[in-house]
Amino acid sequence: EAQVTQNPRYLITVTGKKLTVTCSQNMNHEYMSWYRQDPGLGLRQIYYSMNVEVTDKGDVPEGYKVSRKEKRNFPLILESPSPNQTSLYFCASTLSRNTDTQYFGPGTRLTVL
Amino acid sequence: GENVEQHPSTLSVQEGDSAVIKCTYSDSASNYFPWYKQELGKRPQLIIDIRSNVGEKKDQRIAVTLNKTAKHFSLHITETQPEDSAVYFCAASSQGGKLIFGQGTELSVKP
Repeated sequence: EAQVTQNPRYLITVTGKKLTVTCSQNMNHEYMSWYRQDPGLGLRQIYYSMNVEVTDKGDVPEGYKVSRKEKRNFPLILESPSPNQTSLYFCASTLSRNTDTQYFGPGTRLTVL
Repeated sequence: GENVEQHPSTLSVQEGDSAVIKCTYSDSASNYFPWYKQELGKRPQLIIDIRSNVGEKKDQRIAVTLNKTAKHFSLHITETQPEDSAVYFCAASSQGGKLIFGQGTELSVKP
């Protein structure tokens, strides 16, 4: 089954404790993104990657890192999480570019205390 | 920077009525305009999209119109049903490879 998976689905952590949210897709998609969703602000793109080893900043990249060492995986890294990073995070992938259909993962609910 | 404004933020209609959600965008180079539906607790899913070489597109009860001159596009849902209740997001592509989303519209269809 074609899908985007994320782990963990829920995470409660404390300020400053490094964490990684994994994202994997099995559709051989080239383009992958991370978004955060906050009430009243919609979906805001954090980082995106057009292919292996090619990443670029979205609209809200501060406090986040990403890597794209393999086509299928696009982890989101929070080196020193802060409470303002409490949010719902979605990973998404598209076939080759930002003008293709985005397939979203199930979401990760992150709480930073 | 590039942005997408979406209105209204909430919309309540009676079952069977029509619903219209409007978005404006700032990047004149935008050429792709998708609409996503997000049901409560679920992930966003594409319901319809339009590209800049087309003015209107329909798919059963939903339609999208695009006015490139005015830089705005709209989602129209006719004969609304309770299962149309969800949050709807518009988006616009940017030249740099990003996809910019609107703030979302919470649509409530009352039986």
